[in-house]
Amino acid sequence: GAVVSQHPSRVICKSGTSVKIECRSLDFQATTMFWYRQFPKKSLMLMATSNEGSKATYEQGVEKDKFLINHASLTLSTLTVTSAHPEDSSFYICSAIVDSGYNEQFFGPGTRLTVL
Amino acid sequence: AQTVTQSQPEMSVQEAETVTLSCTYDTSESDYYLFWYKQPPSRQMILVIRQEAYKQQNATENRFSVNFQKAAKSFSLKISDSQLGDAAMYFCAYSRNRLTFGKGITLSVRP
Repeated sequence: GAVVSQHPSRVICKSGTSVKIECRSLDFQATTMFWYRQFPKKSLMLMATSNEGSKATYEQGVEKDKFLINHASLTLSTLTVTSAHPEDSSFYICSAIVDSGYNEQFFGPGTRLTVL
Repeated sequence: AQTVTQSQPEMSVQEAETVTLSCTYDTSESDYYLFWYKQPPSRQMILVIRQEAYKQQNATENRFSVNFQKAAKSFSLKISDSQLGDAAMYFCAYSRNRLTFGKGITLSVRP
């Protein structure tokens, strides 16, 4: 149980275009999901916390108009990178909390974004 | 703010040997959770082991065990009988409402 999927796994886009990444909890309902960004050989940086039915909470320094997050249902959160630029190229990972009492997050497999 | 420190960027261990990965954290809270995550080359984050701060007993999961020293704010991971598949990046993480990760350590296993 507690499987989280992400789609697409890889995406290449041209500079100036927008890209949408989906994060789904497959076998449980997730009221809270998280979006992380990770550079090669580096740690995960929390970008935002996504709560179902409400606005996302962004971390300091993360542009909310550039990284649009929507959590429209208990099983789906989306991250849209608007007007992407080469510096947005990165590995994006989502996670969802399972209400097991351990405050445990289960992670998606990640999406590699390359902006040309 | 909570911080998690993994001071060793890389470690190497001989197959079948034991290795310990260190982690310290800083918090003013008394109730929290600690985790070790493994990230292999596939980059899928995998939970290795978790520890509730209110439990004095150290968590164990097969070949993986932790040494949790709450007063010292230390949370090290011991991997026994290391296997080639243990080669990965390992992250220590602290959690109350959100995860705070350490910088990670790259573990290599020598055959």
